[in-house]
Amino acid sequence: LAKTTQPISMDSYEGQEVNITCSHNNIATNDYITWYQQFPSQGPRFIIQGYKTKVTNEVASLFIPADRKSSTLSLPRVSLSDTAVYYCLVPYGNNRLAFGKGNQVVVIP
Amino acid sequence: GAVVSQHPSRVICKSGTSVKIECRSLDFQATTMFWYRQFPKQSLMLMATSNEGSKATYEQGVEKDKFLINHASLTLSTLTVTSAHPEDSSFYICSARDRFRLYEQYFGPGTRLTVT
Repeated sequence: LAKTTQPISMDSYEGQEVNITCSHNNIATNDYITWYQQFPSQGPRFIIQGYKTKVTNEVASLFIPADRKSSTLSLPRVSLSDTAVYYCLVPYGNNRLAFGKGNQVVVIP
Repeated sequence: GAVVSQHPSRVICKSGTSVKIECRSLDFQATTMFWYRQFPKQSLMLMATSNEGSKATYEQGVEKDKFLINHASLTLSTLTVTSAHPEDSSFYICSARDRFRLYEQYFGPGTRLTVT
């Protein structure tokens, strides 16, 4: 039932910027897009949330084009500790979240 | 802010027994909490939506009589796995939605259940 599509995995070197794009073609008018990070055996951690254009916080930026059918999470200058699975989520029915497979990011020294 | 706790963090129980897992929102009120299950190398699967003061709503294929959910207050929801079997061994994660910030949902650290 996942409403989002992401690449399965990607590798990146330390210090590089990592961009993960997510497709959500059926996003509804009122839906926010939320990104979470998950380490093994831990609950997902909220990274960033946005509705349109660009949102930036202390850990990431989120770019959302005008049609809102996709979004891109940008992690600046990744470190080894950023190795994790990243999920892009759009709510459905009573703000439920359906997790897709997520994107496994591996940061290489 | 926005901290969700779970207790216990890990539990081992014998087949046929019941196990209760607690989910608490520590610094906000949550009229809605969600319970997920995650098997190794897989994504989170939503099991049920827990609503304060009313019955939980279960996702298709989830047995409501096996996974009992109680949301007795604005900060506490419990999941009881009844008559547990080895195939119920999994990582159970709850999340809570802030009643005043409906678009934000925060996750607990998870509970590792092992049924022997």
